[in-house]
Amino acid sequence: SYELTQPPSVSVSPGQTARITCSADALPKQYAYWYQQKPGQAPVLVIYKDSERPSGIPERFSGSSSGTTVTLTISGVQAEDEADYYCQSADSSGTSVVFGGGTKLTVL
Amino acid sequence: QVTLKESGPVLVKPTETLTLTCTVSGFSLSNARMGVSWIRQPPGKALEWLAHIFSNDEKSYSTSLKSRLTISKDTSKSQVVLTMTNMDPVDTATYYCARMCGSYGEVWFDPWGQGTLVTVSS
Repeated sequence: SYELTQPPSVSVSPGQTARITCSADALPKQYAYWYQQKPGQAPVLVIYKDSERPSGIPERFSGSSSGTTVTLTISGVQAEDEADYYCQSADSSGTSVVFGGGTKLTVL
Repeated sequence: QVTLKESGPVLVKPTETLTLTCTVSGFSLSNARMGVSWIRQPPGKALEWLAHIFSNDEKSYSTSLKSRLTISKDTSKSQVVLTMTNMDPVDTATYYCARMCGSYGEVWFDPWGQGTLVTVSS
């Protein structure tokens, strides 16, 4: 089955830049999407179509794509950004939706 | 304002069928390039996509769960229903519905409902 691979955890100090990666073979052909999930809450979309930011999402959240890897970048990390982050895409046929295993962002 | 709310049983027994309802507001289930998806999350684990239904009634299911899932919609009631047969304790999870944006092969989910925790136990 198709999988998206994320690092289990990323740690940064406040004010630094956090980068969370997501890798899979079909990513050059399929868009990626990113969700933020805080404990006890539903996920929130923070990036769509690799690099587009929904209204209401702070400018410090950005996305990029290079080959088989997409990256969520959070510039000037704040304590409130501590959460789990999930990437989402589709398999090469576009038939199935897939989520990555999630990355826990810890703000030290 | 777009909102979605899940409803259904909090406890089901093994082998029973689970029926969940998602009631939406702020958009119509007949809107083009929109639909509703079901996604679940076992306690402490990752998100897992289950199924979605587009405004034209086109449906798609998770390959691994396809034989157990049925998704349908009632546009007049603004509701999407998911049934999952032969429930097992491993199906214990928070079940979310979410508005699906985009088109076939390029979909994303925004916003999500609050989720409903379903426990499978005898």
